[in-house]
Amino acid sequence: QQQVKQSPQSLIVQKGGISIINCAYENTAFDYFPWYQQFPGKGPALLIAIRPDVSEKKEGRFTISFNKSAKQFSLHIMDSQPGDSATYFCAARNRGSTLGRLYFGRGTQLTVWP
Amino acid sequence: GAVVSQHPSRVICKSGTSVKIECRSLDFQATTMFWYRQFPKKSLMLMATSNEGSKATYEQGVEKDKFLINHASLTLSTLTVTSAHPEDSSFYICSARMAQSSYNEQFFGPGTRLTVL
Repeated sequence: QQQVKQSPQSLIVQKGGISIINCAYENTAFDYFPWYQQFPGKGPALLIAIRPDVSEKKEGRFTISFNKSAKQFSLHIMDSQPGDSATYFCAARNRGSTLGRLYFGRGTQLTVWP
Repeated sequence: GAVVSQHPSRVICKSGTSVKIECRSLDFQATTMFWYRQFPKKSLMLMATSNEGSKATYEQGVEKDKFLINHASLTLSTLTVTSAHPEDSSFYICSARMAQSSYNEQFFGPGTRLTVL
């Protein structure tokens, strides 16, 4: 059973456009939602994260929108650049987990055309 | 800050040999470290969770005698693939959970590409 569902699987966006990646979850005990960016052959890098007490968090061109009632959250990349081409993973963590295990989505491969 | 290193970055070994991968948190203490396996174009598959000074917790289907994990200190965890076989070839990534921050973020290492001939 997949705890976090991510879509789309792949996304092609023109340079300067907005990239939007969506994630949904069922477990209401999740209390921390990070996004990771991974380039080929590299480890994932923490991009931005949000907790359920806020509906939006922005860092530079990256914004997380969070809808607690719908149990959905999304990553928006404004003014997308070719350098943003990577695989993006959303994740969630259960507040009851003492070890802090993350549950990952399947990933979205983003390609930004110049 | 929040740098996690892995060594080696790439290793090629013969079938039947053992390979050790090190994961270090360079500028923070990590009471918990995680080991993942990733297949091409796939998501991260959690193999095990290790706590400093205690036995690792393995995910279902992961052979603990094959994938030995040792979390010797607050900054070092090792994964040893014993009697490696070609099907163990994969990209192995560790992450370390930052205990000092309010969010307890997880930071990943750069990964180790294992090829078993």
